Amino acid sequence: GAVVSQHPSRVICKSGTSVKIECRSLDFQATTMFWYRQFPKQSLMLMATSNEGSKATYEQGVEKDKFLINHASLTLSTLTVTSAHPEDSSFYICSASLTGNYGYTFGSGTRLTVV
Amino acid sequence: AQSVTQPDIHITVSEGASLELRCNYSYGATPYLFWYVQSPGQGLQLLLKYFSGDTLVQGIKGFEAEFKRSQSSFNLRKPSVHWSDAAEYFCAVGEGFGNEKLTFGTGTRLTIIP
Repeated sequence: GAVVSQHPSRVICKSGTSVKIECRSLDFQATTMFWYRQFPKQSLMLMATSNEGSKATYEQGVEKDKFLINHASLTLSTLTVTSAHPEDSSFYICSASLTGNYGYTFGSGTRLTVV
Repeated sequence: AQSVTQPDIHITVSEGASLELRCNYSYGATPYLFWYVQSPGQGLQLLLKYFSGDTLVQGIKGFEAEFKRSQSSFNLRKPSVHWSDAAEYFCAVGEGFGNEKLTFGTGTRLTIIP
């Protein structure tokens, strides 16, 4: 079945530094990838939608200059949290889909802690 | 805009008992509905999905869900729960075809007691 690999699973960084999270579709080409953020004991909130080769579409309230999304190939999307602050600490999950496949496959998530 | 309501924040069930998790959606057209399960610190695993056809959908791990258009509901059921079913369950609605965003409910945390 479709597999999405997300790395790293956990990362701790200092305030002011940047962190990159990778999301790879291992056995299919993902035309669209989604990035979600999940606060403790809460639901998933969509941050942005990215299509290969084009700029990401950010949800209202999400700072595109802070959360940089790159979808350079059909198998890889990256989320870079720039100048991270403690309030950026959260669980980030990516999801990938193939048009017409009626399915979304999720990565295993990345726990980001900013100290 | 589409929305999903999961009215139960937390449910506790005895092992071996039956389970029903409620989900109500709001969407103007025919919805694409999903149930996902999330273990602590993990990503989401798809349990089942509904797009069209038979309104009773069978999923993995013995779960099923029934789409009821008249009630705008897509409740998840399992006849006999196992301790390993303890997790967070999310209902989601999408616009379809796999390249549209999903809107998630707030989730229901399931606790299993011996």
